[in-house]
Amino acid sequence: QAVLTQPSSLSASPGASASLTCTLRSDINVRTYRIYWYQQKSGSPPQYLLRYNSDSDKQQGSGVPSRFSGSKDASANAGILLISGLQSEDEADYYCLIWHSRTWVFGGGTKLTVL
Amino acid sequence: QVPLQQWGAGLLKPSETLSLTCAVSGGSLSGYYWSWIRQPPGKGLEWIGEVVHSGSANYNPSLQSRVTMSVDTSKNHFSLTLTSVTAADTAMYYCARGVWEPKDWGQGTLVTVSS
Repeated sequence: QAVLTQPSSLSASPGASASLTCTLRSDINVRTYRIYWYQQKSGSPPQYLLRYNSDSDKQQGSGVPSRFSGSKDASANAGILLISGLQSEDEADYYCLIWHSRTWVFGGGTKLTVL
Repeated sequence: QVPLQQWGAGLLKPSETLSLTCAVSGGSLSGYYWSWIRQPPGKGLEWIGEVVHSGSANYNPSLQSRVTMSVDTSKNHFSLTLTSVTAADTAMYYCARGVWEPKDWGQGTLVTVSS
């Protein structure tokens, strides 16, 4: 089982909200991990969006709009990237990242389509 | 944002050695983790490893036997060497910088392994 699992695709309408999940393997607890999120548009390198651990331990990337936010769902053992007020420019691949067992581990990525 | 410029050979034959360099403009290597991350065509991100100013490095266990990372503080460069490449090493290779997590990314170098 992969350390981090992300749905491969998600579609949402302009103006709506999209909730992207990053589920941790069952033997590791999301409560103890900082979750990092990246956005990658076609043909470009990934761009750092934000870090979320708790409401008192979070960081927004430089220039990242506040409509991008992070949270956790402990019952699902998952980190969540919430994008509100979706815009066409938000169409991209989104990756989560954690530091686990002395390595950085990426999720497989979610392709977000805004239509 | 400190620009990262990267370069290296883009076409290799199986069993050859991949060698890439990343230069930091307008800043020093001190105080950061310098990472290499790769992305096979159409696939997700894989962390290769990281090195710090002192030269101490930490590698992905799946690649550890073939990877070496180094720094040249006089030139503000850091480098990646990957030996015995195969077609499975074909990917876009990114260098990245972060105080902890990879935050600033280079534009990427496409490395193709083909006979």
